[in-house]
Amino acid sequence: EAGVTQFPSHSVIEKGQTVTLRCDPISGHDNLYWYRRVMGKEIKFLLHFVKESKQDESGMPNNRFLAERTGGTYSTLKVQPAELEDSGVYFCASSQAITSEAFFGQGTRLTVV
Amino acid sequence: GENVEQHPSTLSVQEGDSAVIKCTYSDSASNYFPWYKQELGKGPQLIIDIRSNVGEKKDQRIAVTLNKTAKHFSLHITETQPEDSAVYFCAAIDQAGTALIFGKGTTLSVSS
Repeated sequence: EAGVTQFPSHSVIEKGQTVTLRCDPISGHDNLYWYRRVMGKEIKFLLHFVKESKQDESGMPNNRFLAERTGGTYSTLKVQPAELEDSGVYFCASSQAITSEAFFGQGTRLTVV
Repeated sequence: GENVEQHPSTLSVQEGDSAVIKCTYSDSASNYFPWYKQELGKGPQLIIDIRSNVGEKKDQRIAVTLNKTAKHFSLHITETQPEDSAVYFCAAIDQAGTALIFGKGTTLSVSS
């Protein structure tokens, strides 16, 4: 069974540009989460989808971040325009139930210069 | 909301020694506490979890203890091996019960 996959693995963009991260969860997992880890800090929650609906987006830092999960399958996280402080590793995770094991992707390392 | 504190931030042990990582949480309603291991270049991977209805759980060399009264839980690794070297994260489910809130991580180094 394929795990959670994220694309790209690395992205280097200039301040002001747009970047779109993609996450393919494990097939059949209704719950999909986005997290971000800034260097040396904790993994911080961004938002949670249940199927195609946003269950909780309280962790989204500001309106430059837009997440979608059309059709309840893969998800995208767009940052527009990117700022220096957006640099970090963005993780996607999926689970069957909220309190069951969450499986993480390998992450996308975003560097804004 | 839920807040999770994790200590220490770094831990160095000799192969064969035990390692203990401790976490505290703020929300007494939290009821699920997983531990994740992150190796270089990979995403976090669940290694053990515990729910609030038990006080201890063990899986081979790894054990987790939970003290609900004190609101803290700990990861114990016995007979450490070099391949245990990684970043370990504790987590607790948040108040809404929808997302995991993570500690800042502990970088464990096991030297042979």
